[in-house]
Amino acid sequence: EDQVTQSPEALRLQEGESSSLNCSYTVSGLRGLFWYRQDPGKGPEFLFTLYSAGEEKEKERLKATLTKKESFLHITAPKPEDSATYLCAVGETSYDKVIFGPGTSLSVIP
Amino acid sequence: SAVISQKPSRDICQRGTSLTIQCQVDSQVTMMFWYRQQPGQSLTLIATANQGSEATYESGFVIDKFPISRPNLTFSTLTVSNMSPEDSSIYLCSVGTGVLRGYNEQFFGPGTRLTVL
Repeated sequence: EDQVTQSPEALRLQEGESSSLNCSYTVSGLRGLFWYRQDPGKGPEFLFTLYSAGEEKEKERLKATLTKKESFLHITAPKPEDSATYLCAVGETSYDKVIFGPGTSLSVIP
Repeated sequence: SAVISQKPSRDICQRGTSLTIQCQVDSQVTMMFWYRQQPGQSLTLIATANQGSEATYESGFVIDKFPISRPNLTFSTLTVSNMSPEDSSIYLCSVGTGVLRGYNEQFFGPGTRLTVL
């Protein structure tokens, strides 16, 4: 059964304290792995799509990496405005939908 | 990218009534999705609505309860029928774009916050 888990459930960082969020997945054939940011009361905001193991993508303080079993979202020198819930989702090759993980709630303290 | 709007942004409804949520996209897209997000939870797919075909519902969701229309490539509606307090949630419209099977990227609307009394 296709499955997506994320850890930690919640993360509290001091401003400037770098860390990583984990997304572990089980899928028969990976079509793509997606990262989103969601602010309270808003819809998810698309960040990255990763397609194959070894691929990396960067956007400002965020860097996403992918292996055959997991993805990491690295946050370098975070700022309070990076506080949000980060969602991971995977798409399988045989269907159009994606499966979302439970998310990691990130708080960056000034 | 795609810009998505939803109406209404929020509503408070009485038990037993129905609410229709509208989703408008600023470009033509084939694939549209409707999600539900309960407080503090992740996203649960309700159905996939591709233009020109019947909506495909996920396990636990039925057409009688959540009828969907997809009249063209930029618009869709989701109706929440015969509502109960358990239907209180955020409902999100989403579109998939790209050229690979399925899509490369998925964009979301701002959501409709529904409270059922």
